[in-house]
This record gives sequence, C-alpha cells and structure tokens, in this order.
Amino acid sequence: AQSVTQLGSHVSVSEGALVLLRCNYSSSVPPYLFWYVQYPNQGLQLLLKYTSAATLVKGINGFEAEFKKSETSFHLTKPSAHMSDAAEYFCAVSPYSGYSTLTFGKGTMLLVSP
Amino acid sequence: EAGVTQSPTHLIKTRGQQATLRCSPISGHTSVYWYQQALGLGLQFLLWYDEGEERNRGNFPPRFSGRQFPNYSSELNVNALELEDSALYLCASSKYGDITGELFFGEGSRLTVL
Repeated sequence: AQSVTQLGSHVSVSEGALVLLRCNYSSSVPPYLFWYVQYPNQGLQLLLKYTSAATLVKGINGFEAEFKKSETSFHLTKPSAHMSDAAEYFCAVSPYSGYSTLTFGKGTMLLVSP
Repeated sequence: EAGVTQSPTHLIKTRGQQATLRCSPISGHTSVYWYQQALGLGLQFLLWYDEGEERNRGNFPPRFSGRQFPNYSSELNVNALELEDSALYLCASSKYGDITGELFFGEGSRLTVL
C-alpha cells in the first residue's frame, strides 16, 4: 500500500523568500506523484505531476518539484514566494493498482507574510 | 470545457436528517470520486464510482452511500446526520483510461450539521 507524509502542517515564509514544502512517499512500485493546491473555500487544483518522464517537474505559478527515488521524496519549491501563494498544499501518490484512488498527505498550510 | 460541478454550494441540516449532494463530472470522464474534508482531518476518501458501479469505499459507515447515473453524474447521500459529518465534501472525476490517476476536483459542497 502507498502512503504520503508531508512534514510540517504549517510553513511560514516572507514574501520573496524560497518556498520548500516537503513530501515523502511510500510505494512498492514506481509511483505517479502529484501536488495540488487548495485556496480558501475552494476545491483542489493540480499544480504539477510526476509521471516518470523527467525527475524535475515544472508546474503552474512558478512551482516545481523534484522526484528523488533514493530519498523517496517529491518536495515542492518556488524560488520567490508571493502573497497569492498562501494556501494549503497537498501531496498525493497514485495507487498504480487500478482499484483504488489517490492517497493524499495531510496537507501543509503555507503562510506568506509581507 | 466545463469543470466538475457540485451542488449545493452550502447545505445546513440538523442531526438525524438526511443530506444529498450532487456532482457532474467533466464531459468524457467516467469515474467519480467523493472525499470528505473535515476540519483538521485532511482529505478522507469516501467512495469511487465508475460506469455506474461502486468500485471502492473508504472507512466510513454505511449511512454514507451514493450512486452514479447513466450520464456519469453522481450523488452522495448521508443518512442520520451527526454533528461530526460537518465538512467540505469534494467530488472529483478522472479521464477514462488515464493510468496516472489524476483527479479533477469540483469546488465542493459545505455541509453544516446543527
């Protein structure tokens, strides 16, 4: 069975600072991995996904994530935070089994201060 | 192309009542998923429907049920409402044949149980 661990329920950064949100996964097979973002009172929007084509994945709004098999990690980064990046971020792993659905981490709330 | 649509946006019920939530997937998507997002509990998988059949179910009591119609829309029913059922209920759909498992989410229905 697969699982996802997101370190830190809250991360605070200043505007213009580097954003780093951590995600570690557990999967018995090479996984598909996702980062979703949820703005207040909205649904989840896909930021980016890893499908084994390239280990460095670029997404929307300047975010990117690097798949590191040796570390079983898929951390999300952005060089310079904007106030509009304040939201909750979810990492997810695909079951690769056909009879289940994405497994989500518990989420990390990103707080951006001026 | 219209996204996943959910109704109602907000719903207020009292304990013991029944709630019905509705979801229309993106055109061409045959699978529908329901998640519960309660405060502090992250995203909890509820139900997965595909081609009118229930494919998988999360760890929820039987009073959570649903169905999928021939046009692939779906409804979630919650019977004998309890206070802890208050949550944002998210519906998602996926493309037929997409092995990555990517989900496309609606904006959610917020259920408040008084």
